[in-house]
Amino acid sequence: EAGVAQSPRYKIIEKRQSVAFWCNPISGHATLYWYQQILGQGPKLLIQFQNNGVVDDSQLPKDRFSAERLKGVDSTLKIQPAKLEDSAVYLCASSLGAGTVGSGYTFGSGTRLTVV
Amino acid sequence: DAKTTQPTSMDCAEGRAANLPCNHSTISGNEYVYWYRQIHSQGPQYIIHGLKNNETNEMASLIITEDRKSSTLILPHATLRDTAVYYCIVRDSGTYKYIFGTGTRLKVLA
Repeated sequence: EAGVAQSPRYKIIEKRQSVAFWCNPISGHATLYWYQQILGQGPKLLIQFQNNGVVDDSQLPKDRFSAERLKGVDSTLKIQPAKLEDSAVYLCASSLGAGTVGSGYTFGSGTRLTVV
Repeated sequence: DAKTTQPTSMDCAEGRAANLPCNHSTISGNEYVYWYRQIHSQGPQYIIHGLKNNETNEMASLIITEDRKSSTLILPHATLRDTAVYYCIVRDSGTYKYIFGTGTRLKVLA
């Protein structure tokens, strides 16, 4: 079974620029999550999709962050404009369903963003 | 906020059992305990989960106290490749969200 694919692996941008991250979840997984992980901290949930609808985006800084999941499969997370404090690893995860009890989420390897 | 507390770091000798504790005193009756680990530069990896009974799989064992207020993850024969940050998570029973804490940084020593 292929895992959760993310790209790019690394990205360096200047502050005030825009950036986009892409995620392809495991086939058949209805639920998709984006997490932000700042160095030395645990991952923090930014947004959760169920198919192509948003379930929870309470922690997403909506003035600069946006995300979409067209057709309920791939997803993109965008930051515009980026700030220095956005430097972090952005992790995508997927699961069969939000309430599925089992082997939990499958995470991708993440995109490491550095804002200079 | 995370519903769990874990020690910041632990060391373990290679080949010995690594016992990682976790406190979750506010856990509700239908909330599961999940353990993940994160090796440097990778995403978190699922290890094991449990509700009330002790659980074992090919990676680890999970011991949950009878009152469910704490648990211990056991890696029976730690190897250098087990060096990672280990997260204990109580999944929210209403939203099913995982809220990660800062985890335990386990270093396996040769």
